[in-house]
Amino acid sequence: EVHLVESGGGLVKPGGSLRLSCAASGFSFSTYCMNWVRQAPGKGLEWVSSISRTGGDIFHADSVKGRFTISRDNVKNTLYLQMNSLRAEDTAVYFCAREGPQDTGDLDYWGQGTLVTVSS
Amino acid sequence: QSVLTQPPSVSAAPGQKVTISCSGSSSNIGNNYVSWYQQLPGTAPKLLIYENNKRPSGIPDRFSGSKSGTSATLGITGLQTGDEADYYCGAWDSSLSAGVFGGGTKLAVL
Repeated sequence: EVHLVESGGGLVKPGGSLRLSCAASGFSFSTYCMNWVRQAPGKGLEWVSSISRTGGDIFHADSVKGRFTISRDNVKNTLYLQMNSLRAEDTAVYFCAREGPQDTGDLDYWGQGTLVTVSS
Repeated sequence: QSVLTQPPSVSAAPGQKVTISCSGSSSNIGNNYVSWYQQLPGTAPKLLIYENNKRPSGIPDRFSGSKSGTSATLGITGLQTGDEADYYCGAWDSSLSAGVFGGGTKLAVL
């Protein structure tokens, strides 16, 4: 059974940094593209970042470009999101999500999310 | 302002049918696949429809998807109170090189 478990969220001051992790199990992690999606309190879904199977192709939303970096460790079966220069508007639940096997953009499995709160 | 446009809310009676629209452009829906997600209160989103009109295993055939040009539609028949949730459409945007979602539609089963 596919499992995605995020960790690393918490309270951080504006300008601070945080690294999120997503531990994957139940599937061949290295053969799937992976994504981060966030949801601010009471708001809709916002795609954040995606990474190809090998990590050679990376995409970030304009809202986080230059501040966030997605990466993966295919030995540890773990996805990461390094978040720097955090702002109040980055406050959200961050979900990691697996992209479907056909690479057609659908996100077929999601973790339960980890809450990031940026506040002084 | 979301790249994909959905109605904020829809409602219908139990047993009835409802449709949720998702409007985009040639850089997203027009030339890429659309997926649909259901988010029950307090839970993570769940994939309902992928590649415009395909259902993952375990998703009942009460849920259907279609696409025409730069718009997509999610249909739900035989509405149940358990279908009350937020529904989101999503696609890849080739111009932005980014994933995009609709703003979400809250379904009320009255």
